[in-house]
Amino acid sequence: GQQLNQSPQSMFIQEGEDVSMNCTSSSIFNTWLWYKQEPGEGPVLLIALYKAGELTSNGRLTAQFGITRKDSFLNISASIPSDVGIYFCAGENSGGSNYKLTFGKGTLLTVNP
Amino acid sequence: NAGVTQTPKFRILKIGQSMTLQCTQDMNHNYMYWYRQDPGMGLKLIYYSVGAGITDKGEVPNGYNVSRSTTEDFPLRLELAAPSQTSVYFCASSSRRLEAFFGQGTRLTVV
Repeated sequence: GQQLNQSPQSMFIQEGEDVSMNCTSSSIFNTWLWYKQEPGEGPVLLIALYKAGELTSNGRLTAQFGITRKDSFLNISASIPSDVGIYFCAGENSGGSNYKLTFGKGTLLTVNP
Repeated sequence: NAGVTQTPKFRILKIGQSMTLQCTQDMNHNYMYWYRQDPGMGLKLIYYSVGAGITDKGEVPNGYNVSRSTTEDFPLRLELAAPSQTSVYFCASSSRRLEAFFGQGTRLTVV
């Protein structure tokens, strides 16, 4: 099946720092989604991207759909303690006809106050 | 709105027992999914459905069964529980835009 390579696996940062993480694939994707999961909860959608080159923000979060359609990036600016969690990328690569998402393995973010 | 509701939240099963994980959504989404999440492994798709009466296998369907008799409900059945099925199970639903909404999960332990 399709694979998404998400990096880094984990990050330990100080409050106030900016964060960058990315997701890559050997296949072209038509949709990229970024989710955040907090302990004991289900993933929550942060940002959805539908066009190559698209740059979308949600508060301090910004995500980009790579121009090659094989990657996506998520940036968090001025991190705060409540940013702690696991961030997942997810992609769909069949134009919606298969109705399935492939998920990366996640980036665990720890923010030191 | 409640969104996606899963029950139970926790369950311990003995090897060989069976159980049904319940999932219901109130967003009138056609697409519903079951994922399992193991530590450090992300989310693996077990089964999915594109509408009432239609289901299909995902990446890891062995040992599971599903049905979709209504738009709202998508139960997952484990017939003969095995230790390898110890995991956290998530149900999700989406519209055609695939922006999936997840339930809070069911933590299952098979002993």
